[in-house]
Amino acid sequence: GAVVSQHPSRVICKSGTSVKIECRSLDFQATTMFWYRQFPKQSLMLMATSNEGSKATYEQGVEKDKFLINHASLTLSTLTVASAHPEDSSFYICSALTDEYEQYFGPGTRLTVT
Amino acid sequence: AQSVTQLGSHVSVSEGALVLLRCNYSSSVPPYLFWYVQYPNQGLQLLLKYTSAATLVKGINGFEAEFKKSETSFHLTKPSAHMSDAAEYFCAVRYNFNKFYFGSGTKLNVKP
Repeated sequence: GAVVSQHPSRVICKSGTSVKIECRSLDFQATTMFWYRQFPKQSLMLMATSNEGSKATYEQGVEKDKFLINHASLTLSTLTVASAHPEDSSFYICSALTDEYEQYFGPGTRLTVT
Repeated sequence: AQSVTQLGSHVSVSEGALVLLRCNYSSSVPPYLFWYVQYPNQGLQLLLKYTSAATLVKGINGFEAEFKKSETSFHLTKPSAHMSDAAEYFCAVRYNFNKFYFGSGTKLNVKP
């Protein structure tokens, strides 16, 4: 199957700093990538749909000025959590869409804001 | 509106017993359906998918799922549970090419 990587896998930062998470499709090109947030013992919450070369589409209630998404190439999308606060602590997961419209997920990034 | 319902947030079976995880969907158009597995602190791994070919779909790790249009269901089964199957399982439906809806997940516990 297709492989998606995410970096870093775990990050701890201080309140007020910004954190960048990278999502890469390693063996295929992805025009579309997704960013999810997962709270403990809950399902995935779609944050935004990232399209290569265009602006991301954010889900209702997700602050686009806080969660900055850049999809600069067909294999890389980045999520930057701007001025992170403790309530932004969560598990963030990205996925990439293949040409056959299947989603393959990255391993996730655990963000802890102190 | 599209939605996915997973009955039972927790399912517990004995090792060697049948695994049955339920998923029902609502869709006004023929759906594409998926099952994913998530191990602790990891991303989701695709188990299997239904794409309107055969109604019985075989996936990895001995899992299979049957698409039943009349029941709008896509239940996941495995004849004999293994300890390594303990994880959380998510059912998902895709429509409009890049719109996915996920169920709330079912945590599978396998007892020795």
